[in-house]
Amino acid sequence: SAVISQKPSRDICQRGTSLTIQCQVDSQVTMMFWYRQQPGQSLTLIATANQGSEATYESGFVIDKFPISRPNLTFSTLTVSNMSPEDSSIYLCSVRTGVSTEAFFGQGTRLTVV
Amino acid sequence: GQQLNQSPQSMFIQEGEDVSMNCTSSSIFNTWLWYKQDPGEGPVLLIALYKAGELTSNGRLTAQFGITRKDSFLNISASIPSDVGIYFCAGYGGATNKLIFGTGTLLAVQP
Repeated sequence: SAVISQKPSRDICQRGTSLTIQCQVDSQVTMMFWYRQQPGQSLTLIATANQGSEATYESGFVIDKFPISRPNLTFSTLTVSNMSPEDSSIYLCSVRTGVSTEAFFGQGTRLTVV
Repeated sequence: GQQLNQSPQSMFIQEGEDVSMNCTSSSIFNTWLWYKQDPGEGPVLLIALYKAGELTSNGRLTAQFGITRKDSFLNISASIPSDVGIYFCAGYGGATNKLIFGTGTLLAVQP
């Protein structure tokens, strides 16, 4: 499986500011995804990060709030914009390689908005 | 949208006991994955299932892909303290590439 590194691992941010989370994979992967895990909850897919084009967002998530970049096959960023306390969550990067349906996750970024 | 209901929500057991948890869907799934999440970490893939009726083991863990393709089961035998964590089922349904997660089962093991 690929080794997935997320930065930062945690942060405490002021409301109204933005945070960019980075996801770096040690090998080229076909698909990259971003998930949100609210406190005590399961994982919810935010979007699929598409290389060289706009991400595909799930219902309830919009590009203005969660802009995503994926400039190549090993790197993606998720920005949480104009943060409010409701954005306090764990944000997780996930990848799939080749034609496999197995998905692997980074360690997550624990965000607290105050 | 598709939902995965996982049960039980939590389990508190003694070390050495066997554990069973299951996941049900309102629609047919093509792949089932089982993950474990430790505090402060991302989910780690435990077992992947690809065919209805498939039974797969990983050490003390055994998972099955239900015949109806709408459910899956995970069993842990002879639990140990390091089995503590949250277990999630996840799956792909229909033609979608979206991995849907279950609600999770919190497992606590008392030494």
